[in-house]
Amino acid sequence: QSVLTQPPSVSGAPGQRVTISCTESSSNIGTTYNVHWYQQLPGTAPKLLIYDNNNRPSGVPDRFSGSKSGTSASLAITGLQAEDEADYYCQSYDNSLSAWVFGGGTKVTVL
Amino acid sequence: QVQLVESGGGVVQPGRSLRLSCAASGFTFSSYGMHWVRQAPGKGLEWVAIISYDGSNKYYTDSVKGRFTISRDNSKNTVYLQMDSLRAEDTAVYYCAKRNLFYFDYWGQGTLVTVSS
Repeated sequence: QSVLTQPPSVSGAPGQRVTISCTESSSNIGTTYNVHWYQQLPGTAPKLLIYDNNNRPSGVPDRFSGSKSGTSASLAITGLQAEDEADYYCQSYDNSLSAWVFGGGTKVTVL
Repeated sequence: QVQLVESGGGVVQPGRSLRLSCAASGFTFSSYGMHWVRQAPGKGLEWVAIISYDGSNKYYTDSVKGRFTISRDNSKNTVYLQMDSLRAEDTAVYYCAKRNLFYFDYWGQGTLVTVSS
């Protein structure tokens, strides 16, 4: 069971806004740190998309935004584009496990 | 620009060993911790191990403790993952990634390890 829980899939039409949730499991509440997000395009390596809950690395479009409140974090994609079709992973550090942990991943489909 | 290039993957029988390498460039390698992360076919990402910038501290996920060893050679800008007693469930693409505090800011392209008889 993942420390971080994501929905397996979300979808939206081009131009729409979609959100992906990332929820910390009840057994680990209070033991994880900031949340980070990665985009993995088909057949490629993951790429850092959002760090420290809501910061974008240079070169990431501002269509991507992150937020965190309590034990849940979210990634929002506004103005959805065909090129956004990918798997998205949230990630944090769990101090109780002394481990870097990932959510199970969410596949975004552009209809 | 930062580049991480993994090598050493391949097909190996259960119980055998394999050593992966990750050659780094474009940043001061000796100043950063480095990770290995893996992804089984069709599955999600799983953190495997981390080594501190000077090699003095190493941490592993529970499933590989006692079987995998992470190491580094700062003179060669390279991090290694020695994998012993390999199991079928170790089959995955293995990525090296550069540490930035509590996240991974750069990733290599990955190398595939297949454990099969």
